Amino acid sequence: ETGVTQTPRHLVMGMTNKKSLKCEQHLGHNAMYWYKQSAKKPLELMFVYNFKEQTENNSVPSRFSPECPNSSHLFLHLHTLQPEDSALYLCASSQDWTGDYGYTFGSGTRLTVV
Amino acid sequence: GESVGLHLPTLSVQEGDNSIINCAYSNSASDYFIWYKQESGKGPQFIIDIRSNMDKRQGQRVTVLLNKTVKHLSLQIAATQPGDSAVYFCADLNNNDMRFGAGTRLTVKP
Repeated sequence: ETGVTQTPRHLVMGMTNKKSLKCEQHLGHNAMYWYKQSAKKPLELMFVYNFKEQTENNSVPSRFSPECPNSSHLFLHLHTLQPEDSALYLCASSQDWTGDYGYTFGSGTRLTVV
Repeated sequence: GESVGLHLPTLSVQEGDNSIINCAYSNSASDYFIWYKQESGKGPQFIIDIRSNMDKRQGQRVTVLLNKTVKHLSLQIAATQPGDSAVYFCADLNNNDMRFGAGTRLTVKP
């Protein structure tokens, strides 16, 4: 365990479904991130939260909706997804928004859209 | 735009040999670099980092070398073990922007 926990580990959803991904960290970190990892591509930054305030939305389609109720929890709400959204969704946290000292990643949620 | 990239997508080594994984970066202003290891079914795991005021840093069986002149980063793994089989990717940090490479898959043959 890295200290960043993601649930569920696997998710299969239809294009008309609504689901949520959850991320939790108890490392005392103040910044949290959502990344999308597709095969043979670099990690794609989706959202950044610093002290539970969104500081970056990297041109992500509105069918992905993040929520950060506090510095320890991060959600990614999904609705009307497309098959090309199938990927590994990784949550990460860092001490602060500078990214100094690196990120701690969760194990990810493997999402399949059918 | 500027990005971090890797020279080779796959690397196969014999158990016990040393492994060298390379990374090229394009942003000369980057001042912090990290190597991550990602095993199957897991998220990326921090291995070792190095700041731009250094050119070498050693950890347990791993060494990171930084050549700022040619903007090149390498990860050396000594006495590679089966448990080292994973995807390795580098990341660089510039102005609070962390960029990741696509990764190199290391396979260790027994």
